[in-house]
Amino acid sequence: GQSLEQPSEVTAVEGAIVQINCTYQTSGFYGLSWYQQHDGGAPTFLSYNALDGLEETGRFSSFLSRSDSYGYLLLQELQMKDSASYFCAVSYNQGGKLIFGQGTELSVKP
Amino acid sequence: DTEVTQTPKHLVMGMTNKKSLKCEQHMGHRAMYWYKQKAKKPPELMFVYSYEKLSINESVPSRFSPECPNSSLLNLHLHALQPEDSALYLCASSQSSGDRAIHEQYFGPGTRLTVT
Repeated sequence: GQSLEQPSEVTAVEGAIVQINCTYQTSGFYGLSWYQQHDGGAPTFLSYNALDGLEETGRFSSFLSRSDSYGYLLLQELQMKDSASYFCAVSYNQGGKLIFGQGTELSVKP
Repeated sequence: DTEVTQTPKHLVMGMTNKKSLKCEQHMGHRAMYWYKQKAKKPPELMFVYSYEKLSINESVPSRFSPECPNSSLLNLHLHALQPEDSALYLCASSQSSGDRAIHEQYFGPGTRLTVT
């Protein structure tokens, strides 16, 4: 099968920087994206990478290394409202669908 | 308007009932999705519609029956469900079902379904 690995939980303090990693299977890989989901809410698209490198959107950045089959989401200047679950999601060539990782629950403490 | 709406918000149904979930988007998106999500788990894809045609069915039991009446609407008809089908049912849409477009999906708030 096509499995993704990401940590189940991460805890950090307000104002800190946190990195959530995601590894995936290489064969036929097309792209990787990140979604945020607050408790009781809907998943919200954060970012997308198909090529190697860093994509920055405000306090959030996402990185991809195709040679290492690895990506990460970087959250800077953490705020309490960033406490949520973060899912990486990958697609494979002409697969027509996203495959979600198990999610990382981020807790931001004061 | 980047909103996907879903009705109802909550639904309680017995195992012999028939009910329908509804989803609507007015973003001109041509791909629409149904997902099932259990607590503390990722969304699990059920169906994909592309240009109003069913393109992916993830081996979903026949007690779930999707329908796409037009490019803005997506229904999920439910019949003879089991208690283990209790979950949050999420609808999503994207511009198309192309390799790049599927990554930017807009999700509705979901219908929380309880089967008794």
